[in-house]
Amino acid sequence: QLQLQESGPGLVKPSETLSLTCTVSGGSITSSSDYWGWIRQPPGKGLEWIGTVYFTGRTYYNPSLKSRVTISLDTSKNQFSLKLSSITAADTAVYFCARAHYYGSGSDYTGGGLDVWGQGTTVTVSS
Amino acid sequence: DIQMTQSPSTLSASVGDRVTITCRASQSINSWLAWYQQKPGKAPKLLIYKASSLESGVPSRFSGSGSGTEFTLTISSLQPDDFATYYCQQYNTYPWTFGQGTKVEIK
Repeated sequence: QLQLQESGPGLVKPSETLSLTCTVSGGSITSSSDYWGWIRQPPGKGLEWIGTVYFTGRTYYNPSLKSRVTISLDTSKNQFSLKLSSITAADTAVYFCARAHYYGSGSDYTGGGLDVWGQGTTVTVSS
Repeated sequence: DIQMTQSPSTLSASVGDRVTITCRASQSINSWLAWYQQKPGKAPKLLIYKASSLESGVPSRFSGSGSGTEFTLTISSLQPDDFATYYCQQYNTYPWTFGQGTKVEIK
């Protein structure tokens, strides 16, 4: 059974870089059927997609964060990571990692919902 | 970016009620739409993908419909475990975007 687990510091100082890791167990991040992503949720607010990485290393970022975001894979550890630079209080949120799984071909190509999520990790930005 | 607008923002309903939540996209997303349920302090849970496909293990009282720009999530008979916040999400075009959420409350 595929499981995802976020890890990283819970408190980050303003202007620093946030680094989070998502460890994948029960499956491989090199699967060609899967995309791996980061989503965040500020306190009391909705969900915001941060970005996604494919097993080839191809990345897709939210333009609102693109200048500050880097998502990468570590295939040797079966992990993917998020770096968010120049952190401010507005980046305080619960950060989730998740998988989007696609299957089928042609007209039967389907899936794509974020079907497996980590439990989330709370990141507070404060000096 | 594609804007996703859910309505209503809050919904008060009773156990056994039929509940419908609407999600509108600012441009066509074909059928690349997912619905999630989220409870306080928990990660979202995938209910529906590709607009109308029920995720494995999700009760059949949940159903999704629509294509293009208008989509609905229906709960045929609301159960106590269904009181939660629901989000739609488009994944037709990057950046992927979520609706603002619909909170289903006990009437």
